[in-house]
Amino acid sequence: AQKVTQAQTEISVVEKEDVTLDCVYETRDTTYYLFWYKQPPSGELVFLIRRNSFDEQNEISGRYSWNFQKSTSSFNFTITASQVVDSAVYFCALYMNYGGSQGNLIFGKGTKLSVKP
Amino acid sequence: KAGVTQTPRYLIKTRGQQVTLSCSPISGHRSVSWYQQTPGQGLQFLFEYFSETQRNKGNFPGRFSGRQFSNSRSEMNVSTLELGDSALYLCASRRDKAANNEQFFGPGTRLTVL
Repeated sequence: AQKVTQAQTEISVVEKEDVTLDCVYETRDTTYYLFWYKQPPSGELVFLIRRNSFDEQNEISGRYSWNFQKSTSSFNFTITASQVVDSAVYFCALYMNYGGSQGNLIFGKGTKLSVKP
Repeated sequence: KAGVTQTPRYLIKTRGQQVTLSCSPISGHRSVSWYQQTPGQGLQFLFEYFSETQRNKGNFPGRFSGRQFSNSRSEMNVSTLELGDSALYLCASRRDKAANNEQFFGPGTRLTVL
């Protein structure tokens, strides 16, 4: 079965602290994609990153960085020097590539990040 | 380029009624997916449409249905509403059905069933 686990339900940090959001996934397929989305209070899911199963390179985008490790089935997300505007719910998701591409996003339960000034 | 739009943004219905939600994808996007978000179950996939055909369906009862029009706009319908159908319904579009296309989400329709 395919599954995404975000063990941290809520995290609270003070501005400028670094914070890491954990994501562990389960799948028996060799080809898949992993995503992170941000959901601010407005409700709209904002795409942050996509990573395919064959690319284990870590990625950095400004204050955001992602660590993908197939050996531990993890795709963790780190925010460096957090800001109040980073406060949101963050979702990790798994997309299955069923040779015909008939798949859908399987989401974790999300991690609510609160950054206090 | 305009993003994914959903109408209405908020809706209040009573049990037993039916409801239709609308989604307009990003221009040029041909795939539309629907998701239900509730505090208890989180984000769950409802169905995906591509070129007016349903490609995939999540584990929801037959009361949930949808369709896609030739201009890629999509509607989803829920009949005989139940209290548990109260949720945020999110629509997402992507360029085509290729697996590496990211999905772009709309602001959602918040449905409250009384």
